[in-house]
Amino acid sequence: QKEVEQNSGPLSVPEGAIASLNCTYSDRGSQSFFWYRQYSGKSPELIMFIYSNGDKEDGRFTAQLNKASQYVSLLIRDSQPSDSATYLCAVTGGGNKLTFGTGTQLKVEL
Amino acid sequence: NAGVTQTPKFRILKIGQSMTLQCAQDMNHNYMYWYRQDPGMGLKLIYYSVGAGITDKGEVPNGYNVSRSTTEDFPLRLELAAPSQTSVYFCASSHGLAGSDTQYFGPGTRLTVL
Repeated sequence: QKEVEQNSGPLSVPEGAIASLNCTYSDRGSQSFFWYRQYSGKSPELIMFIYSNGDKEDGRFTAQLNKASQYVSLLIRDSQPSDSATYLCAVTGGGNKLTFGTGTQLKVEL
Repeated sequence: NAGVTQTPKFRILKIGQSMTLQCAQDMNHNYMYWYRQDPGMGLKLIYYSVGAGITDKGEVPNGYNVSRSTTEDFPLRLELAAPSQTSVYFCASSHGLAGSDTQYFGPGTRLTVL
């Protein structure tokens, strides 16, 4: 059974700080990794995806992938109150079916 | 573009009743998916489809059925509703580009079975 693990949080960071969200996965065959943001009562929306080892940056967001350690993270720089949400990590083994983690709740405090 | 639409937004069912959750997309996506999300949990795949006439089971298919007669529509049928099916149901669609395939989600249907 493929598993994706996330700390449920809440992770609290002050406004302007860097938020670091982590995710581990069990299937070494996993090939692509996605980060979704979900506001309370809303549907998930894609932030970014990564499939190569290393870092991928998109604005204030950076995804980091380490396949040897089976670890993927999301860094949010200059955190804003509007970033307060649940962040879902999802992985796929090269096909299109995603396996989701349970999500990490992020709270950005003023 | 409306994207992915779902109806109804909310529904209360009695145990043993049946209903169909509707999902439609106007992005000409080949792939469509149904997920359920229980409180504090991630999304679990119920069924998916790679094109009209082709469907397959996901992780939690028991108690559900699907059909895909057109590219646009992917309804989810609940037969003999049970309290364990109380959840939020999300429909999603994607192009089907392996490796970098972005799934776009509908607004969800909140279902309560009493």
